[in-house]
Amino acid sequence: AQSVAQPEDQVNVAEGNPLTVKCTYSVSGNPYLFWYVQYPNRGLQFLLKYITGDNLVKGSYGFEAEFNKSQTSFHLKKPSALVSDSALYFCAVPKGSGTYKYIFGTGTRLKVLA
Amino acid sequence: ETGVTQTPRHLVMGMTNKKSLKCEQHLGHNAMYWYKQSAKKPLELMFVYSLEERVENNSVPSRFSPECPNSSHLFLHLHTLQPEDSALYLCASSQDPDRPYEQYFGPGTRLTVT
Repeated sequence: AQSVAQPEDQVNVAEGNPLTVKCTYSVSGNPYLFWYVQYPNRGLQFLLKYITGDNLVKGSYGFEAEFNKSQTSFHLKKPSALVSDSALYFCAVPKGSGTYKYIFGTGTRLKVLA
Repeated sequence: ETGVTQTPRHLVMGMTNKKSLKCEQHLGHNAMYWYKQSAKKPLELMFVYSLEERVENNSVPSRFSPECPNSSHLFLHLHTLQPEDSALYLCASSQDPDRPYEQYFGPGTRLTVT
């Protein structure tokens, strides 16, 4: 069965430092992997996705994610964190047949400290 | 996010009330979704509509009744809810339900059942 795991409930990072939000996956077949962000009192916003091709995927707001097949990971990264990046981050994977069914991770709260 | 709108943004209702949540997407997408987001729980997919036809009903109690009159509008009719139904209800849309397209979310309706 397809699944994603976000091992950290919260990540704290100082402004200006690099940030990493972790996601590991378990899928059969080719993985399609997504990252979403949720700001307070808002819906989820799409950040980036991996379908195929380059392992380093670039997305919105300066975020990028690295697909690592051997480690079954798809960690979200940003070289220099901003206080405004503080939000809840979700990774997601289609459930399988019927790609409209997405499995979302439990979310990681990122707090960027000024 | 402005591509998907939801009204109302906040709703307080008693257990005997009947109310409806409205979602509208301005993106020309073919699929629409209702999700429930509760604290400390993964995002729960409730209903999926593809080209106005319901294609998914994830064992949701009958006190939740969806309606999709056209590909741009989605409603969630609520009646005789329970306090545990209090949550953030998110609407989303995507271009094609059968391909791994990203989903676009509305801001959500914060529902409180008293």
